[in-house]
Amino acid sequence: AQTVTQSQPEMSVQEAETVTLSCTYDTSENNYYLFWYKQPPSRQMILVIRQEAYKQQNATENRFSVNFQKAAKSFSLKISDSQLGDTAMYFCATAGNNRKLIWGLGTSLAVNP
Amino acid sequence: DTGVSQDPRHKITKRGQNVTFRCDPISEHNRLYWYRQTLGQGPEFLTYFQNEAQLEKSRLLSDRFSAERPKGSFSTLEIQRTEQGDSAMYLCASSLNRGDSPLHFGNGTRLTVT
Repeated sequence: AQTVTQSQPEMSVQEAETVTLSCTYDTSENNYYLFWYKQPPSRQMILVIRQEAYKQQNATENRFSVNFQKAAKSFSLKISDSQLGDTAMYFCATAGNNRKLIWGLGTSLAVNP
Repeated sequence: DTGVSQDPRHKITKRGQNVTFRCDPISEHNRLYWYRQTLGQGPEFLTYFQNEAQLEKSRLLSDRFSAERPKGSFSTLEIQRTEQGDSAMYLCASSLNRGDSPLHFGNGTRLTVT
C-alpha cells in the first residue's frame, strides 16, 4: 500500500523569503514517482515538480526544488523567493507505474506581503 | 494543446437525480483518470482508463457510479440516485502511458446535491 503524509496543514511565509513544505511517504513499489502539485483557490491542480525515485539528483524547477531522501522516504519542497502567486494548497503525491496518484492531505501556504 | 476540459463546471441537483459529467483529455493522452475531492482534502482516486479499457476502479466507486470511455477519447462519469454525500469536486486528469508523463488536470466539475 502507498501512503503520503503531509504534517503541516498550514504554513505562511513572507514575500521573497524561503519556505520548505514537508512530505513523507511509504510505498511498496520498486519504481515510483513523486510529485508536488499546487492548487490555487478555486483553480485547477497544477504540477509544480516531479522526481523519479531512481534518480538521486534532486529535481529543480526555477524557484522550486526538492530534497529527496529515499532512505528516509522524505520528499520536501523548497520554494525560494516566495511570491504572492504561490499562495495555494500544495499536495504531495506518489505513483507507481500505473500512474494512480496517492495524495497527502495538503499544506495550505499563505505568502504574506 | 487546449488542456483537459471538463463539462459542466458546476452542477446542482436534487437528491435522487442522475447526473453525468464529461471529460475531454489532451488529445494524444491515452490515460484518463477520475478523482473526487472534498473541501480540505486531497483528491481520492476513483477510476482510470488506458484508451477505452477501464483498468481499475476504487472501492469508493459504488454501483451508483459508472464511468465510460467508449472510443478512447472523451470520458463520462455518471452518478445515479445522487446522495448528499456525493457533493464534491470531480476532477479528471490525463497523461501519456509513459513513466515520466505527469497528470494534467482539468478545472473540475463541482457537484452540489441538495
